[in-house]
Amino acid sequence: QKEVEQDPGPLSVPEGAIVSLNCTYSNSAFQYFMWYRQYSRKGPELLMYTYSSGNKEDGRFTAQVDKSSKYISLFIRDSQPSDSATYLCAMSGDNYGQNFVFGPGTRLSVLP
Amino acid sequence: NAGVTQTPKFQVLKTGQSMTLQCAQDMNHEYMSWYRQDPGMGLRLIHYSVGAGITDQGEVPNGYNVSRSTTEDFPLRLLSAAPSQTSVYFCASSTTRGNTIYFGEGSWLTVV
Repeated sequence: QKEVEQDPGPLSVPEGAIVSLNCTYSNSAFQYFMWYRQYSRKGPELLMYTYSSGNKEDGRFTAQVDKSSKYISLFIRDSQPSDSATYLCAMSGDNYGQNFVFGPGTRLSVLP
Repeated sequence: NAGVTQTPKFQVLKTGQSMTLQCAQDMNHEYMSWYRQDPGMGLRLIHYSVGAGITDQGEVPNGYNVSRSTTEDFPLRLLSAAPSQTSVYFCASSTTRGNTIYFGEGSWLTVV
């Protein structure tokens, strides 16, 4: 079993839809959770960062962490074609860069 | 506002050849790292450095060499290229214990 699992997609949704992206993990020591967005032929960029359990909202994006279920989610409201990208989850137990574990990414297409 | 700069963007190598991927950052970050990204595998850490003169192995170090003579630069050397090293390579940097890892734009390497 991989340490971090993520449905690779591709996921296609119409413009304006609510998108739900998810990751599951096995290491209960993880307490720092991140979502990265990666456009085609580009490097990943940090989208959301959450410490421990709970929700965090930033504009149209909401990150949710459920440590009891070892499950994290990223919700995108009113999705736009510009949201079309691959979304990577990442997590760490101690916030040291060398200990970040990345999911394989979910490819999202938002159709106009 | 350069951030993390990688060169070259694209490279084709023959099996057995050696080459160096260059990486430079202008954010005065202590931590720098190299990842490779393969379909379905996510980002895998090759080598990392927590400061000038200090390097360590990540998850997949075999066939690669690094050095860190300055804070700014962190080159990755392929000693004798193999087809299994065909991948996309990302250089990244962050503060020592920071939630934001900044990635370069990537280097697409094909070994034939």
